[in-house]
Amino acid sequence: QQQVKQSPQSLIVQKGGISIINCAYENTAFDYFPWYQQFPGKGPALLIAIRPDVSEKKEGRFTISFNKSAKQFSLHIMDSQPGDSATYFCAASWAGGTSYGKLTFGQGTILTVHP
Amino acid sequence: EAGVVQSPRYKIIEKKQPVAFWCNPISGHNTLYWYLQNLGQGPELLIRYENEEAVDDSQLPKDRFSAERLKGVDSTLKIQPAELGDSAVYLCASSLSQGPYNEQFFGPGTRLTVL
Repeated sequence: QQQVKQSPQSLIVQKGGISIINCAYENTAFDYFPWYQQFPGKGPALLIAIRPDVSEKKEGRFTISFNKSAKQFSLHIMDSQPGDSATYFCAASWAGGTSYGKLTFGQGTILTVHP
Repeated sequence: EAGVVQSPRYKIIEKKQPVAFWCNPISGHNTLYWYLQNLGQGPELLIRYENEEAVDDSQLPKDRFSAERLKGVDSTLKIQPAELGDSAVYLCASSLSQGPYNEQFFGPGTRLTVL
């Protein structure tokens, strides 16, 4: 019930295209959903995050869409650029018990943006 | 502002040997995390510290892994003895506090190879 399932495993997009990565979760107690970006040899870095009280959050070219009833959320990267090529992880956490603040990560999506 | 510092960046050891990883969190960050990241997977929490107290070590294999955070600043993660399956990247992260909505800042990780 703590799992976060992410798809696709890899994604290839042309420059200027839209990249879409999806995540699904089971634990309805999750109430914080961040997306992390990781470049080779680096640690993950927070990209954008959403709380379940809103259905969408946009920051520049990055948008999170959140569907509470379906227990799904997705990352949309508009006008994808070669510099966006990285591994993207969705995650979730909740403020309950010993798991307070614990991030559960998805399996990751390797995004390649061709010039 | 300096980020999370980890050393060494790479470590190659023979199985059954001990190994230790060091982490220096961002100044002022009370919460420190150690994660394990297997190849092609998302990070998995090993242990979380609030100041010098380990508040969640439920995922730490205590038969061979140990950790400490003396004086509530730097932290060391140790494996003794190492096994082939321990080959992975060990990530350290820190945040201002253990609240679920506080951004976690990751270090670059230590890549461990056990031969």
